[in-house]
Amino acid sequence: GAVVSQHPSRVICKSGTSVKIECRSLDFQATTMFWYRQFPKQSLMLMATSNEGSKATYEQGVEKDKFLINHASLTLSTLTVTSAHPEDSSFYICSASPTNYGYTFGSGTRLTVV
Amino acid sequence: DAKTTQPPSMDCAEGRAANLPCNHSTISGNEYVYWYRQIHSQGPQYIIHGLKNNETNEMASLIITEDRKSSTLILPHATLRDTAVYYCIVRSVGTASKLTFGTGTRLQVTL
Repeated sequence: GAVVSQHPSRVICKSGTSVKIECRSLDFQATTMFWYRQFPKQSLMLMATSNEGSKATYEQGVEKDKFLINHASLTLSTLTVTSAHPEDSSFYICSASPTNYGYTFGSGTRLTVV
Repeated sequence: DAKTTQPPSMDCAEGRAANLPCNHSTISGNEYVYWYRQIHSQGPQYIIHGLKNNETNEMASLIITEDRKSSTLILPHATLRDTAVYYCIVRSVGTASKLTFGTGTRLQVTL
């Protein structure tokens, strides 16, 4: 079946530094990928829609300059958390839709900013 | 996408059927009902989806009312591994169509 691979699974970074998270579709091409954030005991919140070859579409309230998204190929989207602060600590999840009906999620990245 | 309403939590004894309800009274004609679940600290896992007919796969059954305003996910023989948060989502077709999560139902399967 369709697989979305996310890397790293866990990362700890110092406050003020930037962290890049990769999301790859392993056996299908994805012109669109989605990035979510999840705080403890809360639901997934859609942050942005990543579009191959064009700018990402951000949800209301999400800072585009802080969460940089690049979708340079049909199998790779990256999310860079710039100048990370402790409040950015969260579980970040990417997903893609291999068919018009399916939707596959990565295993998530646990970011801790210290 | 239409909004869904689910009970915040449910309990089920192992081996029994778990019936998880979902209300989606504002669903439109081209929107499908999807069910996903999330086990702690993992990405969501697809369970099943349907438009208006009842659906069954190796994991679960989906019962959609005739007016499509509500649905029920049935796990026929719940096990401890089915303990998770279950999300009911309505979404239109298309690879660029967003999947918007509500608060879901936390299902606890007990011995």
